[in-house]
Amino acid sequence: NAGVMQNPRHLVRRRGQEARLRCSPMKGHSHVYWYRQLPEEGLKFMVYLQKENIIDESGMPKERFSAEFPKEGPSILRIQQVVRGDSAAYFCASSRQVMNTEAFFGQGTRLTVV
Amino acid sequence: GENVEQHPSTLSVQEGDSAVIKCTYSDSASNYFPWYKQELGKRPQLIIDIRSNVGEKKDQRIAVTLNKTAKHFSLHITETQPEDSAVYFCASSGGNKLVFGAGTILRVKS
Repeated sequence: NAGVMQNPRHLVRRRGQEARLRCSPMKGHSHVYWYRQLPEEGLKFMVYLQKENIIDESGMPKERFSAEFPKEGPSILRIQQVVRGDSAAYFCASSRQVMNTEAFFGQGTRLTVV
Repeated sequence: GENVEQHPSTLSVQEGDSAVIKCTYSDSASNYFPWYKQELGKRPQLIIDIRSNVGEKKDQRIAVTLNKTAKHFSLHITETQPEDSAVYFCASSGGNKLVFGAGTILRVKS
């Protein structure tokens, strides 16, 4: 079991470009969560998805951010028209059931907006 | 929504001493409380967790206690070693998501 896989590990984008972050959950896990971590800060919840459904997006900014978890393939967090304030580490986690059981994190994608 | 407060923000201990990190939560419906360790530039890793039907859980040098009435839970690390130096996050969940505390930077001095 390869664990939660995120790619790319590092992503540099110019202001105004789009960023696409990918997350493949652990085998057998159908629940995916995205978190954002600013330098020297904690983990802030963004969105919770199951296959083809967004369950809770209460932590996601209303504009420019979107997430999906298609029937086939990885979950994708998409940030349009990136700004410097989007620079952060974005972590994906997956669990077998809803988040009252063990959740495992990927290595994260470190987004830098220049 | 759920709020988790974590103290202290930084903690320095001498190698071999014990370290205690405390968290309080606001949502009485929370029933799952994991602790994560994050080393610099790496992913958060689950080190121990506790559910609301249990008051204490131990795994070698690490233990967690839960007081549901007071809505607080604590991480105890005994016989600390330099490799315990990291950022530790508590979290709580009553359903859809984990809500994290702000983290504690633990430094173990040898």
